[in-house]
Amino acid sequence: KAGVTQTPRYLIKTRGQQVTLSCSPISGHRSVSWYQQTPGQGLQFLFEYFSETQRNKGNFPGRFSGRQFSNSRSEMNVSTLELGDSALYLCASSPVASGDYNEQFFGPGTRLTVL
Amino acid sequence: KNQVEQSPQSLIILEGKNCTLQCNYTVSPFSNLRWYKQDTGRGPVSLTIMTFSENTKSNGRYTATLDADTKQSSLHITASQLSDSASYICVVSARSGTYKYIFGTGTRLKVLA
Repeated sequence: KAGVTQTPRYLIKTRGQQVTLSCSPISGHRSVSWYQQTPGQGLQFLFEYFSETQRNKGNFPGRFSGRQFSNSRSEMNVSTLELGDSALYLCASSPVASGDYNEQFFGPGTRLTVL
Repeated sequence: KNQVEQSPQSLIILEGKNCTLQCNYTVSPFSNLRWYKQDTGRGPVSLTIMTFSENTKSNGRYTATLDADTKQSSLHITASQLSDSASYICVVSARSGTYKYIFGTGTRLKVLA
């Protein structure tokens, strides 16, 4: 089975621009979660989608948004980029929604640099 | 405030030695605790998941313990290998309606030959 794939792997943008990142979960997985990882803050949860519905949301401004399609693929959008948005953005998929024993499988991440 | 603190921040050990990483948390209401291993440039990989009622869980040379009373967890690595060099991240989930994931900042482990 193919793992979680994320595109693009690397991205350079300038302040004020917007960006869209893509995540394809493992086949059969219906839950996709997004995380931001920075050296200073570590991993932070952005949001979770399950069956095309946002099920859970972290403490990020409205500039961060996402969606999930009927084939479970997900996109994350960041508008009006700021320097502090430079980070590794990770996507994780799971067969089921958040729960005690749901195991998440992470993709390799998209490295976003904002200049 | 929900927090997860890990110690040490970084650790260097010789190949073949054992080591223990610590995770203290103040998360409520507690749902589960997970340990992840993250190699440089890659996404995290799950090592163990423990709920409130579990004290110990093993995954090969990795053994995690959980003391829900003191809100502490540890990850013990036995007979370390060069491939164990990575960051180890402790994540605690809180469930209050929906799940919240609180991440520690990780322990960076370096295993030397």
